[in-house]
Amino acid sequence: DAGVIQSPRHEVTEMGQEVTLRCKPISGHNSLFWYRQTMMRGLELLIYFNNNVPIDDSGMPEDRFSAKMPNASFSTLKIQPSEPRDSAVYFCASSFRGSGANVLTFGAGSRLTVL
Amino acid sequence: AQKVTQAQTEISVVEKEDVTLDCVYETRDTTYYLFWYKQPPSGELVFLIRRNSFDEQNEISGRYSWNFQKSTSSFNFTITASQVVDSAVYFCALSDQNTGNQFYFGTGTSLTVIP
Repeated sequence: DAGVIQSPRHEVTEMGQEVTLRCKPISGHNSLFWYRQTMMRGLELLIYFNNNVPIDDSGMPEDRFSAKMPNASFSTLKIQPSEPRDSAVYFCASSFRGSGANVLTFGAGSRLTVL
Repeated sequence: AQKVTQAQTEISVVEKEDVTLDCVYETRDTTYYLFWYKQPPSGELVFLIRRNSFDEQNEISGRYSWNFQKSTSSFNFTITASQVVDSAVYFCALSDQNTGNQFYFGTGTSLTVIP
């Protein structure tokens, strides 16, 4: 299994530009999570999906952030317009939500720098 | 409310010393799961262990051991004979069924093993 695949690994953009981060979860996993990690705020949950349906987006900072999961094998996190304070590492993670415990498997992360 | 507290922000030890990373959790659910993840300097988040609330047996895996005590709501992680490769940020996390298997992460403990 290739694991959770995120792209791009690094993104440098200018303030005001649109940023799209992509994630391919592990095949067979039915839950997908987007996290943001910064030095100041640590690891923050932005949004998570079960069976492609957004369950909790209360962590999404503001309307500039949006996330979609059009099918079980793909999700995007979009920031429009981007701002310098959005600079962070964005992690996608997936798990199988069944009757037992879920182990979150993380992608390698997308490091975003907004100038 | 669910919460994970890792009171130790940073720890430094000399190689070959033993070190214990503390984790205290809060939940009202009787069925929950506890996790430890490792984030080495390369940045990825690596799953180490999962325990469910019905299994208080301590676990040992090589130099790693975990002590789960429901009486004190703690799930501590001990590294025996630490090595430089153990240098990383370690996160404790909680997942319970009441919140749809959402994950709650602690703020992490940064461990530096000095050669």
